[in-house]
Amino acid sequence: GAGVSQSPSNKVTEKGKDVELRCDPISGHTALYWYRQSLGQGLEFLIYFQGNSAPDKSGLPSDRFSAERTGGSVSTLTIQRTQQEDSAVYLCASSWGGGRGRLKEQFFGPGTRLTVL
Amino acid sequence: GEDVEQSLFLSVREGDSSVINCTYTDSSSTYLYWYKQEPGAGLQLLTYIFSNMDMKQDQRLTVLLNKKDKHLSLRIADTQTGDSAIYFCAESMDGQNFVFGPGTRLSVLP
Repeated sequence: GAGVSQSPSNKVTEKGKDVELRCDPISGHTALYWYRQSLGQGLEFLIYFQGNSAPDKSGLPSDRFSAERTGGSVSTLTIQRTQQEDSAVYLCASSWGGGRGRLKEQFFGPGTRLTVL
Repeated sequence: GEDVEQSLFLSVREGDSSVINCTYTDSSSTYLYWYKQEPGAGLQLLTYIFSNMDMKQDQRLTVLLNKKDKHLSLRIADTQTGDSAIYFCAESMDGQNFVFGPGTRLSVLP
């Protein structure tokens, strides 16, 4: 079946421009995560959506970053006024929801490589 | 806050065993995971272990957990060139919030 897809796969932009990154989760998955992966760094948690609950935005590094999830499915991560330090691979993952304390496997998309010149 | 650490690089010869180590700080971690990332791809769950287990074996993979020392290891037996990838250790207390390590790049030499 279809996995998590992300678009674009690569994005090159100029400093100061806005970018939108898209994530299509696996159908039926109620949980959706955005992570940032910088060279030599682990995955940095950005934001988490679970069903209709308010998203956990605790990982967003600045107010230039925002994300939304429409209809409980597709999600868009927006970075305004991009800076060179925003260059990274942005990964999206989805999983089955369910309560806390239950094992939930995250299924990752291939990522969007963002380069800010 | 929670932290997960791993060595960044490991090289082994084809056919040898690989051991990738991970340490974590959150003593309330309930789930510990190993993910594999191949070039240009997202992460793929390899295996996981609950904190009440010491060991888990799955074909060529053996996971050892020392909860006292907060140390997790992944052993890959008979390492093949297809095992070359970045391996991430991750921990979660509640199965909802995850903390990932920086990843260990495994290079398998012929």
